[in-house]
Amino acid sequence: GIQVEQSPPDLILQEGANSTLRCNFSDSVNNLQWFHQNPWGQLINLFYIPSGTKQNGRLSATTVATERYSLLYISSSQTTDSGVYFCAVGEAGTALIFGKGTTLSVSS
Amino acid sequence: EAGVAQSPRYKIIEKRQSVAFWCNPISGHATLYWYQQILGQGPKLLIQFQNNGVVDDSQLPKDRFSAERLKGVDSTLKIQPAKLEDSAVYLCASKWGGVGTEAFFGQGTRLTVV
Repeated sequence: GIQVEQSPPDLILQEGANSTLRCNFSDSVNNLQWFHQNPWGQLINLFYIPSGTKQNGRLSATTVATERYSLLYISSSQTTDSGVYFCAVGEAGTALIFGKGTTLSVSS
Repeated sequence: EAGVAQSPRYKIIEKRQSVAFWCNPISGHATLYWYQQILGQGPKLLIQFQNNGVVDDSQLPKDRFSAERLKGVDSTLKIQPAKLEDSAVYLCASKWGGVGTEAFFGQGTRLTVV
């Protein structure tokens, strides 16, 4: 099956700093989503981005499907950005396969 | 629109007991998934439904886990008998089903087996 690797596993930032999270996957995919899991365990949809670039406020994402990676950018980080960020990929008609996540801690 | 609803939010049971979780997907979503998330790991698929048919249950421990989606809407996931290693968060997700659509997750049920 498809392998998903996320890096770094842990990230500690001061409020206001920028960060880049990476997701590598081992095969061609039709679906790619980024999620933020908040401290209460809820998975929040950030981006549906099987290819291209999208931006939503301080967050943006880029997927280069031909090179099998995706990047999530967080600018001017806030304490509320803390949590675990997951990348999940899948082929058409199949379920998402998740990486192990990046745990982000933002301190004030 | 209403999101994916799950109940209960928390459950504590003793090993060898049985437990059931319920999921109501987003209205109109044909595809429904159950995932298991063990502490410190990413969610892992247990079963995928398309309407009321099973698409993928290859990772479901069928000796103790069962799931159904009667009438292609609500779904229940059952564990009988539970083991200590079943302690995890059980997440339900749904998707409209067409190409290019994203999956949405419920808040999950946190199960503790003691």
